[in-house]
Amino acid sequence: EVQLLESGGGLVQPGGSLRLSCSASGFTFSTNAMSWVRQAPGKGLEWVSTFSGRGGTTYSADSVKGRFTISRDNSRNTLYLQMTSLRVEDTAVYYCAKDQTVAGTYDYWGPGTLVLVSS
Amino acid sequence: DIQMTQSPSSLSASVGDRVTITCQASLDISNYLNWYQQTPGKAPKLLIFDTAHLHTGVPSRFSGRGSRTHFTLTISSLQPEDIGTYYCQQYDNFPWTFGPGTKVEIK
Repeated sequence: EVQLLESGGGLVQPGGSLRLSCSASGFTFSTNAMSWVRQAPGKGLEWVSTFSGRGGTTYSADSVKGRFTISRDNSRNTLYLQMTSLRVEDTAVYYCAKDQTVAGTYDYWGPGTLVLVSS
Repeated sequence: DIQMTQSPSSLSASVGDRVTITCQASLDISNYLNWYQQTPGKAPKLLIFDTAHLHTGVPSRFSGRGSRTHFTLTISSLQPEDIGTYYCQQYDNFPWTFGPGTKVEIK
């Protein structure tokens, strides 16, 4: 059974940093693309960043480029999102999602972790 | 960026009704279109991928069709557990983008 569990969310001041983690199990993590998708309170879904399964290629939305860094530790089956220079508009539930065979289709999601950026 | 629009933004229907949600892409995305269901307080779930393929475990009352810029999600017989918000998403070009969602309620 595929399981994803995010952690690391919380309250942070504007300009601050936070690192999210996503622990994965139930599939071959090392060869699977993984992504972060966020949802601001009461709003829709926004793709944030993807780490490819092979080759180590990363992709990020323009809204977070230069501030957020996606990484992974295949030995720990864990995906990360390092967030710096946080803004109020980054407030959202952040979901870790497993990409299907083809990147861009999220067949399994974690329950999410809330990041609240506020002074 | 490819813009995704959905209609209606919300709907209310009776149990057993046939419900159709429309998704439009601002550019040709071939069949690179997915549908997700999000129930209140929960993470989204994949319903349909590649326009028309049901994800594992998804009831057969859900179906999808379309191509290029126009797509539909149909629930053939609405059930109480189908309440929630439905999102379409394109993955033809980065950045992957989602529609604004369609909220489905039971009348």
